[in-house]
Amino acid sequence: GAVVSQHPSRVICKSGTSVKIECRSLDFQATTMFWYRQFPKKSLMLMATSNEGSKATYEQGVEKDKFLINHASLTLSTLTVTSAHPEDSSFYICSASRHGVTDTQYFGPGTRLTVL
Amino acid sequence: EDKVVQSPLSLVVHEGDTVTLNCSYEVTNFRSLLWYKQEKKAPTFLFMLTSSGIEKKSGRLSSILDKKELFSILNITATQTGDSAIYLCAVEDNAGNNRKLIWGLGTSLAVNP
Repeated sequence: GAVVSQHPSRVICKSGTSVKIECRSLDFQATTMFWYRQFPKKSLMLMATSNEGSKATYEQGVEKDKFLINHASLTLSTLTVTSAHPEDSSFYICSASRHGVTDTQYFGPGTRLTVL
Repeated sequence: EDKVVQSPLSLVVHEGDTVTLNCSYEVTNFRSLLWYKQEKKAPTFLFMLTSSGIEKKSGRLSSILDKKELFSILNITATQTGDSAIYLCAVEDNAGNNRKLIWGLGTSLAVNP
């Protein structure tokens, strides 16, 4: 159990367009979902934490109007990169936990975004 | 089906002990294996391993990969209470240039004083 999927796995878009990435917990209900960005040296930067039915909590330095997060159900959270630019190109990873921020996180396979 | 299995799931030791955490994998298009330490929210990157038999070392932590037997170990010597965390292993799969990470469930390590 505790499988997390992401869709799409890879997306290429033009600069200025918006891209939506989905994160789903397939076999459990996730009260909390997390969005990360992975940098070339493999470090993970937490972007935001979202609780089902409430607004996401963004980490310092992450623009909430640029990275829109919606956690409308206990099995789905979405990250929308609005007006994407080449510097937004990255590997985005989500994770999900059953019972909140201190509970075990289960990680998704990631989505590679390339903005041309 | 690709999978990454970590063992043990949970471990409790005393300060000063040495621990070995295991990560075995079955991944079709192996690219690299990553170790992370997760204490609060965001995992902290520890090591990336791509070649067999070459030990990566950072202080009291070291790791090695065996691509023939499909596993990696993470060693922590002279453990301290600050080593208490969840240690995550992930394998990068790169099928058709479509990269994805396959994660283990983690090993929860508790180091008691």
